[in-house]
Amino acid sequence: DIQMTQSPSTLSASVGDRVTITCRASESVRTWLAWYQQKPGRAPKLLIHKVSTLQSDVPSRFSGSGSETDFTLTIINMQPDDFATYYCQQYNSYPLTFGGGTRVEI
Amino acid sequence: EVQLLESGGGLVQPGGSLRLSCVGSGFTFDTHALNWVRQAPGKGLEWISIISGSGDATSYAESVKGRFTISRDNSKNTLFLQMDILRAEDTAVYFCAKRPLEAAGLLDSWGQGTLVTVSS
Repeated sequence: DIQMTQSPSTLSASVGDRVTITCRASESVRTWLAWYQQKPGRAPKLLIHKVSTLQSDVPSRFSGSGSETDFTLTIINMQPDDFATYYCQQYNSYPLTFGGGTRVEI
Repeated sequence: EVQLLESGGGLVQPGGSLRLSCVGSGFTFDTHALNWVRQAPGKGLEWISIISGSGDATSYAESVKGRFTISRDNSKNTLFLQMDILRAEDTAVYFCAKRPLEAAGLLDSWGQGTLVTVSS
């Protein structure tokens, strides 16, 4: 199975900050990497797929980059609605696997 | 608008069984593969199973293989997860999630989840 490791596990930020979350795969997932946002008590929401393609309703302050094993989610100009937990996920092979999550808090 | 609505969760004793359901609407149900993903309390996400649109192909995580069975009834737009020989470590919120046609393994719409608690 492909192991996904996210860092940091928790991140403190303020409104207006730039935030960077990293995700590392135990082997190459090529470009089959997605990011999800989850708020307490809610289902995850797909933000980005294929490393850097934003879902249609996702603000442009979110961006993704990387390839093979190392990936980054960046949020510029953090907004109050962005405080949540973020997960990376590889879909290069089954079983699908997720990172452990990064909680972004004030 | 795509909607997925899970039901069937609850409290069950170790060794017991439970069947979850997920009703889908707002999309052509029988053309999309569907998944179950779970989240233990305070923990991360764990993919556990997928079924093809026709229902003739399935796959499972090792943690549930041989104990859980995924199935679907396309005439009723409903996905199922039969969970047998339940263990305490199966305690989690269970989400159903839809796979888009163009990206195998991606999960583009999720239900709100249903809580399964395995405890004596």
